[in-house]
Amino acid sequence: GENVEQHPSTLSVQEGDSAVIKCTYSDSASNYFPWYKQELGKGPQLIIDIRSNVGEKKDQRIAVTLNKTAKHFSLHITETQPEDSAVYFCAALIYNQGGKLIFGQGTELSVKP
Amino acid sequence: DGGITQSPKYLFRKEGQNVTLSCEQNLNHDAMYWYRQDPGQGLRLIYYSQIVNDFQKGDIAEGYSVSREKKESFPLTVTSAQKNPTAFYLCASSGRDSNTEAFFGQGTRLTVV
Repeated sequence: GENVEQHPSTLSVQEGDSAVIKCTYSDSASNYFPWYKQELGKGPQLIIDIRSNVGEKKDQRIAVTLNKTAKHFSLHITETQPEDSAVYFCAALIYNQGGKLIFGQGTELSVKP
Repeated sequence: DGGITQSPKYLFRKEGQNVTLSCEQNLNHDAMYWYRQDPGQGLRLIYYSQIVNDFQKGDIAEGYSVSREKKESFPLTVTSAQKNPTAFYLCASSGRDSNTEAFFGQGTRLTVV
């Protein structure tokens, strides 16, 4: 069946460094790829998304890239800050499955001051 | 104030009892989803609904039931058939086309005592 693989499961960086999280998806019908940030005990918050007709999208220190041929997409955070520490999830929306939103396993990002 | 609201935030259930988690949205979204999150784990899809009076099973539907009688509401019942119900439950909603994002509620933490 369809699935989303996310790597790495944990990531530790120094403040000011960049962080990259990668995801691959299995269903070529996926056409919407959101990224969420989840803080402890809270619901995930949408931070950026990309649709299949675009290869890259940027929002201040956050960028997402999409390679539809290889079926992978990545989150890039530059100039990391301690408040970026959280769990990040990628997801893929499969419209031909009635709009099924499938998540990766999550990456716990730790930014050390 | 628009958004998606889950209640209660914390819920305790005795073994053998059914319990219903509430999810309400005033975003005029057609699609709604229920996910289960275990400690340190990703989000697993329980059920989803794209339209009123219709819903589909996700990857871990056994022991759960839902209804979608109104567009705004998508309650989840955790039945006594669910053998390991203690978890964090998240509800999300989105539009049906590719131009709307999916937003999450703040979650319900269910504990079996």
